[in-house]
Amino acid sequence: AQRVTQPEKLLSVFKGAPVELKCNYSYSGSPELFWYVQYSRQRLQLLLRHISRESIKGFTADLNKGETSFHLKKPFAQEEDSAMYYCALSGPGGYQKVTFGTGTKLQVIP
Amino acid sequence: KAGVTQTPRYLIKTRGQQVTLSCSPISGHRSVSWYQQTPGQGLQFLFEYFSETQRNKGNFPGRFSGRQFSNSRSEMNVSTLELGDSALYLCASSLAGGISYNEQFFGPGTRLTVL
Repeated sequence: AQRVTQPEKLLSVFKGAPVELKCNYSYSGSPELFWYVQYSRQRLQLLLRHISRESIKGFTADLNKGETSFHLKKPFAQEEDSAMYYCALSGPGGYQKVTFGTGTKLQVIP
Repeated sequence: KAGVTQTPRYLIKTRGQQVTLSCSPISGHRSVSWYQQTPGQGLQFLFEYFSETQRNKGNFPGRFSGRQFSNSRSEMNVSTLELGDSALYLCASSLAGGISYNEQFFGPGTRLTVL
């Protein structure tokens, strides 16, 4: 069974401080991993995916297969980063079920 | 391209009633997934349809059902509503094939309130 765990429901950081949103997963094989973000009153949207190895809005996430983690990081938090963040997992390729974590609310304090 | 649309946006029902929610995916997307979003549980997967067939199903009771039409539009139905069914129901579409990497595009959701 595939599972995604986000241990923190709420993470509060000061503006300019580093951010790390934790995500651990359980999957037999090589999963595809994503981070989705939901800003206040907006739709849930894709932030980044591990296969692209990209940095979006200053956020990066590295897949650590040994620790089965996909933590989201940003060196300097901005107020506009305040949102709900969801880690998600699917099997490789298409035609796979996507499983979401329960989400972490990031609150950036001015 | 137009985004994922969901109708209605808001619904108020009473216990015991049934409800049907509709989702129109992005043009060309063949996969439609449904999620229940609540403050306590986050996003919980209901089911996914691809080419009119249910491919995946979450751990919800049989009162929750869905279907997909030949134009990829999807509906979900909840029968015998309970207070605990009050939630935001999200629909997401994806190409679900080739190099799409299963990126999901979400609709605005339907806010269901059960009284």
